[in-house]
Amino acid sequence: AAGVIQSPRHLIKEKRETATLKCYPIPRHDTVYWYQQGPGQDPQFLISFYEKMQSDKGSIPDRFSAQQFSDYHSELNMSSLELGDSALYFCASSLDGPAGELFFGEGSRLTVL
Amino acid sequence: AQTVTQSQPEMSVQEAETVTLSCTYDTSESDYYLFWYKQPPSRQMILVIRQEAYKQQNATENRFSVNFQKAAKSFSLKISDSQLGDAAMYFCASNFGNEKLTFGTGTRLTIIP
Repeated sequence: AAGVIQSPRHLIKEKRETATLKCYPIPRHDTVYWYQQGPGQDPQFLISFYEKMQSDKGSIPDRFSAQQFSDYHSELNMSSLELGDSALYFCASSLDGPAGELFFGEGSRLTVL
Repeated sequence: AQTVTQSQPEMSVQEAETVTLSCTYDTSESDYYLFWYKQPPSRQMILVIRQEAYKQQNATENRFSVNFQKAAKSFSLKISDSQLGDAAMYFCASNFGNEKLTFGTGTRLTIIP
């Protein structure tokens, strides 16, 4: 069965650089979520999209932006990277919101040097 | 504030034995979902079990079951016949009636052969 695909799986950037993470949800899933998990931390909600519109926003820095495209894939753009942005970034998708079960991708590990 | 609390940072259990992971939460919502997610060393988040708050019957998935006490706002996970593959970080989470999931800080479960 198709799963949530995230790319790249690993990314190394320098401070002040820009990074873009991509997420391809499970086909027919209409909601995409982005979470950030720092080392030894629980996942923190960043932002979500329903039918290509932003549906909720969490603790996402102003340096970050995201969007969902017509093919339902989503991209998380991170600019002016800081050391503290080093984390595992999860994308998840669901049908009919979180009650319908969130399916998580394998995550993109960002390391900022 | 809507919070999820896991008071056991680490737990261990002998293989084939039973272990219970604790989770409490706080919300004023009456309709929400509760989840247990497993995060093995591969780091992917995997749904273990889900409970709808308006259902009194405790959810069960094979060796995994929950003890849901809505009045006490408690949602513990019982793992029976523990297996080596159960070793992972376990996160309790809820959507609290919203789009996003709020996670607890996790419990690291070790299985002793």
